[in-house]
Amino acid sequence: AQSVTQLDSQVPVFEEAPVELRCNYSSSVSVYLFWYVQYPNQGLQLLLKYLSGSTLVKGINGFEAEFNKSQTSFHLRKPSVHISDTAEYFCAVSEGNQGGKLIFGQGTELSVKP
Amino acid sequence: GAGVSQSPSNKVTEKGKDVELRCDPISGHTALYWYRQRLGQGLEFLIYFQGNSAPDKSGLPSDRFSAERTGESVSTLTIQRTQQEDSAVYLCASSLFDGPGNTIYFGEGSWLTVV
Repeated sequence: AQSVTQLDSQVPVFEEAPVELRCNYSSSVSVYLFWYVQYPNQGLQLLLKYLSGSTLVKGINGFEAEFNKSQTSFHLRKPSVHISDTAEYFCAVSEGNQGGKLIFGQGTELSVKP
Repeated sequence: GAGVSQSPSNKVTEKGKDVELRCDPISGHTALYWYRQRLGQGLEFLIYFQGNSAPDKSGLPSDRFSAERTGESVSTLTIQRTQQEDSAVYLCASSLFDGPGNTIYFGEGSWLTVV
């Protein structure tokens, strides 16, 4: 069965510093990978997704993620964070034979400090 | 409306009572999903509907939970004989069609508190 592990529950970082939020998945078939963001008191919104092709995916707000099949990872990165990036970030996976259903990780709380 | 709409936004109920949560998906979206998010935890898949096919109920935690969908529109999630562990945010989402890799759009959720 597929599963998603987000290795860090909380990531504190100073403004303008780089950040990496880690995500690993397990699956025996082809997968599609997503990052969603949940700002305080708001619903989830899609940051980026990997379907096929280039393993480096660029999303909104300057975020990018790299799909690494051999390491079964899909880490999220941003070279310079802002206070407004403070939010909960969720990694998710869907399998090719499971329709559109997403399985989510536990989330990583990114806290950007001035 | 432009997005997924859920009601009520907040519900406080007494243990043992039944509750109904409503979801209006984005117009034209054929797939509809329900997730649960307990405080400080990730999203837990509950059920999803895909057009006229039988729903995938594999995530429903017990037979107290059920959901229905009318055609390709409104869905209702019902929790019978609520327990305190049912307290959570219940998120509804929809996508244009059912298929891997589709972007799923989420509502803002219904916050359920069982006292």
